[in-house]
Amino acid sequence: GAGVSQTPSNKVTEKGKYVELRCDPISGHTALYWYRQSLGQGPEFLIYFQGTGAADDSGLPNDRFFAVRPEGSVSTLKIQRTERGDSAVYLCASSLGTSGREEQYFGPGTRLTVT
Amino acid sequence: SQQGEEDPQALSIQEGENATMNCSYKTSINNLQWYRQNSGRGLVHLILIRSNEREKHSGRLRVTLDTSKKSSSLLITASRAADTASYFCATAPYSGNTPLVFGKGTRLSVIA
Repeated sequence: GAGVSQTPSNKVTEKGKYVELRCDPISGHTALYWYRQSLGQGPEFLIYFQGTGAADDSGLPNDRFFAVRPEGSVSTLKIQRTERGDSAVYLCASSLGTSGREEQYFGPGTRLTVT
Repeated sequence: SQQGEEDPQALSIQEGENATMNCSYKTSINNLQWYRQNSGRGLVHLILIRSNEREKHSGRLRVTLDTSKKSSSLLITASRAADTASYFCATAPYSGNTPLVFGKGTRLSVIA
C-alpha cells in the first residue's frame, strides 16, 4: 500500500516568505507527527496530532510555526516569515495508535532552504 | 532536546564484519526503537523493544536493553554494503503522551 507522502520534496524560499509543507499519512493512521532534522542531527519533534487535534505542540519553536489537520488525514505545516535558521529537512510520520509510542512510518521529507 | 545519545557517532567496518551501536538515555521509558535513515531522508523502523524485554532479534539485527543502565545496543551481524546508513535510537517515555525522542545517530559505513 501507499506510504507516507510529502510535498514538495524540495522548497527554496526567500527570507521573510510564507511556506506550506504538506503530509499525506498512511490511510487509517490516527496519529501524525512532524519533525525537523538539521544536518548531522536526529529528528527533532515539532508537533503531533491525534485525529484532528494537536495532542502535543510543545516542539514548535515559536509562533511562526503552525500546523493543521482539519479532517484527520492530510496535514499542513505552515511557517510564516521564514528565517535562514528554518532551513532543514521537515519529516512527517504517521502511526496506527494514538499513544505516540508506537512504530512510526516516515515520509521522505521536504528539504526547505531559506535564502 | 534529545534524550538518546548514540555511540559511536561514526563507525566504519568491512563487509562481513559485525557492527555494534549503543544508545544511552536519561528517563524511564515505555519502549525503545531503532530506525535507519539513508541519504538524510525518510527513516525506516527497524525494531521496537519494550521496557520489560531484554533482547530482541529480527533477521541480522539483535537489540538488547538494560533499563538499569538506561542503555541499549543494536548489533548488525554479517554487515553488507547496503547497511550503510545512519542509525537512530528513539525512546518512548514511560508516562504521558509525549512522542518519541530521537538521538543524534550513528553513521555506519560498510566497505565492500
